Amino acid sequence: DTAVSQTPKYLVTQMGNDKSIKCEQNLGHDTMYWYKQDSKKFLKIMFSYNNKELIINETVPNRFSPKSPDKAHLNLHINSLELGDSAVYFCASSQVQETDTQYFGPGTRLTVL
Amino acid sequence: GQSLEQPSEVTAVEGAIVQINCTYQTSGFYGLSWYQQHDGGAPTFLSYNALDGLEETGRFSSFLSRSDSYGYLLLQELQMKDSASYFCALGGATNKLIFGTGTLLAVQP
Repeated sequence: DTAVSQTPKYLVTQMGNDKSIKCEQNLGHDTMYWYKQDSKKFLKIMFSYNNKELIINETVPNRFSPKSPDKAHLNLHINSLELGDSAVYFCASSQVQETDTQYFGPGTRLTVL
Repeated sequence: GQSLEQPSEVTAVEGAIVQINCTYQTSGFYGLSWYQQHDGGAPTFLSYNALDGLEETGRFSSFLSRSDSYGYLLLQELQMKDSASYFCALGGATNKLIFGTGTLLAVQP
């Protein structure tokens, strides 16, 4: 039983392309997150949604647009990909009152050429 | 803003005890969490301290001292499978976690 799943696991694309990453959780959580982990393993929050509503939007270029069709899904669309977008992107979920205990998906390794 | 500092690398031998420190700067927070991440894997939750003192979960214990802006993760009876990166993280009213710089633990036979 997969708790938090992401697709695809690997994404290799050219600069300037648009791509999407999908995330689904079956834990019944009401809060979902997107994180970016760079090559130095620094893990940084990008967005957070609670019951389909955006509650955290860190300083992220507006080329990144999250979408939550329902509280079990949170997708990330990236326009006009740049070399610096290469990273591992993690989706996570938690109960809103237990944000310290987050469950992470397996990650999507994005490589922009 | 908030920031958390950890040693970049720690090495220990199988069966030993190792302590991974975390010092932080923040104007306020609810608690300090610890996550483990194996190479190529996802971060997984290990432990959480809302109050000062020691929390024990099997071979892992975590400690928090708010007055010293300091916490640590203690791993006992080290096993090879404990080789991983360990992150401390601050949680607060903003419903987000701020992660530390991470510590790569290498367990040697």
